[in-house]
Amino acid sequence: SAVISQKPSRDICQRGTSLTIQCQVDSQVTMMFWYRQQPGQSLTLIATANQGSEATYESGFVIDKFPISRPNLTFSTLTVSNMSPEDSSIYLCSVGAFMGAFFGQGTRLTVV
Amino acid sequence: AQKITQTQPGMFVQEKEAVTLDCTYDTSDQSYGLFWYKQPSSGEMIFLIYQGSYDEQNATEGRYSLNFQKARKSANLVISASQLGDSAMYFCAMTSNFGNEKLTFGTGTRLTIIP
Repeated sequence: SAVISQKPSRDICQRGTSLTIQCQVDSQVTMMFWYRQQPGQSLTLIATANQGSEATYESGFVIDKFPISRPNLTFSTLTVSNMSPEDSSIYLCSVGAFMGAFFGQGTRLTVV
Repeated sequence: AQKITQTQPGMFVQEKEAVTLDCTYDTSDQSYGLFWYKQPSSGEMIFLIYQGSYDEQNATEGRYSLNFQKARKSANLVISASQLGDSAMYFCAMTSNFGNEKLTFGTGTRLTIIP
């Protein structure tokens, strides 16, 4: 299993600002995933981050709103840009594994 | 495309009883993986158990077992001897094929264990 450190664990942000979430893995992984969980909802995949290439975004998510960096095989960041109250969610990073994906602790974001 | 359906929004179970959380799935892939996760109020996602589509035996991990019925496309989670700490949201999820490791999640079941 992988150990994933995600920070910040929570934040309260003003609308119109941006927040960058960091995800550090204790081993090298090819793919990292970013999910969003809106209040009372299930998890939805935002994008897949591969080292050395552009992230692949799911339908409904765009790079301008959720830019992702993947500078090496153990680290990734997700930025939530120009935030609005609708962006209030839990954001989780994940690494895939053949028999189980593991998640960071999540970032609970509130936009006011 | 794959789809996960969890039809139980909430369940209440007496402590020490066994509980079954339902999950059905739909996919056209021959090779896929099924997962269960626990999400306590803290928000973290805790991996519980995995079942591969070609596994003939049902997966077990301690008090958790996965009742895999491939023909019915169901992957129910069974928790034996429930404990108060089992109160949480439970999500069923799947990957469409090995190598593509992104997960599709169901809507979840909120389990409450009653003392």
